[in-house]
Amino acid sequence: DQQVKQNSPSLSVQEGRISILNCDYTNSMFDYFLWYKKYPAEGPTFLISISSIKDKNEDGRFTVFLNKSAKHLSLHIVPSQPGDSAVYFCAARDDYKLSFGAGTTVTVRA
Amino acid sequence: DTAVSQTPKYLVTQMGNDKSIKCEQNLGHDTMYWYKQDSKKFLKIMFSYNNKELIINETVPNRFSPKSPDKAHLNLHINSLELGDSAVYFCASSQDYLNEQFFGPGTRLTVL
Repeated sequence: DQQVKQNSPSLSVQEGRISILNCDYTNSMFDYFLWYKKYPAEGPTFLISISSIKDKNEDGRFTVFLNKSAKHLSLHIVPSQPGDSAVYFCAARDDYKLSFGAGTTVTVRA
Repeated sequence: DTAVSQTPKYLVTQMGNDKSIKCEQNLGHDTMYWYKQDSKKFLKIMFSYNNKELIINETVPNRFSPKSPDKAHLNLHINSLELGDSAVYFCASSQDYLNEQFFGPGTRLTVL
């Protein structure tokens, strides 16, 4: 039973435009949320995180929004760059464990 | 300098064999993990060690046995390999459970 869901397996966006990735979760005990980025043949790398007591966290071009009542978080990348083309995983922490979504493949078109 | 390294990167073997995957981190972290990425691309936690002590042991067959000789190493030994074990296995480490995890490059295991 997947507690973290990324319902869009892929996203294509024009360079310079905004990329919006979505993530839904079912476990209300999750207290910390993270986004990881993964290139082919490499391990995931940490991108940005947000605590459950916040609703927004920003780091350069990356912003994560958390809507606890809707059990929904999103990652905004603006402006999108070719190097952002990768798989993005949403993850949530409960009781020292991370649960991951299946990932969204982002392709940034020139 | 590679922070979290895994060997081998690729492993092809026959059903019934026993194999090991090694993981080392040079970040000075206290906590290490093993994840399995299945065919549906979900990353699922298998084990977690904190200071060489097993903390998390998810529902994993007994054929899988992690071993942590020291804080910097967490190896995964798999006995009697089955077709369903084919997956990419990722090792990760973190300072503690509250901090982000750093992942190794993964080991693609193929069981024939």
